[in-house]
Amino acid sequence: GEDVEQSLFLSVREGDSSVINCTYTDSSSTYLYWYKQEPGAGLQLLTYIFSNMDMKQDQRLTVLLNKKDKHLSLRIADTQTGDSAIYFCAESFTGGGNKLTFGTGTQLKVEL
Amino acid sequence: NAGVTQTPKFRVLKTGQSMTLLCAQDMNHEYMYWYRQDPGMGLRLIHYSVGEGTTAKGEVPDGYNVSRLKKQNFLLGLESAAPSQTSVYFCASGGSADVTYEQYFGPGTRLTVT
Repeated sequence: GEDVEQSLFLSVREGDSSVINCTYTDSSSTYLYWYKQEPGAGLQLLTYIFSNMDMKQDQRLTVLLNKKDKHLSLRIADTQTGDSAIYFCAESFTGGGNKLTFGTGTQLKVEL
Repeated sequence: NAGVTQTPKFRVLKTGQSMTLLCAQDMNHEYMYWYRQDPGMGLRLIHYSVGEGTTAKGEVPDGYNVSRLKKQNFLLGLESAAPSQTSVYFCASGGSADVTYEQYFGPGTRLTVT
């Protein structure tokens, strides 16, 4: 199957920007997503980008997509303690129920 | 709107026992999914459904069965539980007339098989 890789941990100070990176191997993906998981909870969709876009901004969140390098990143501006969570990137493909392939997740820790 | 609900929240089984996990959604979504989450491995798709009465295998279907008799419900069955099935199970739904790309997740079921 397709591989989606992320670094395991990221630690930042409150107020700084966080950048979470993701690499994927399948260039036929349709949408790429960022999900957030807080402790003991399910996943919550943060944002997504269509595969023919390079960038998407949504308030404090900026998604960058480099299709040539198969690299996706999520930048969180002015990171707050409430942003501490696990962040998953995921990709989906046309046809067949919009199945998602998830990365392994990046644990973001925000320190005071 | 309750969104996506899962029953039960926790369960402990002995090897060889069977159980059914229930997922319900009230958003009239066409697609429903079952994932398992294991440490360091992200979420992996077990089975999914693109509509009432349909099911299909995902990435890790062995040892599981599913049914989608009603549009709002998606059941995941373990016929003979094994310790390797200890995991957190998430149900998700998505796909409607307006929006097809987003999946909404339930709170999860933590299953331990001893």
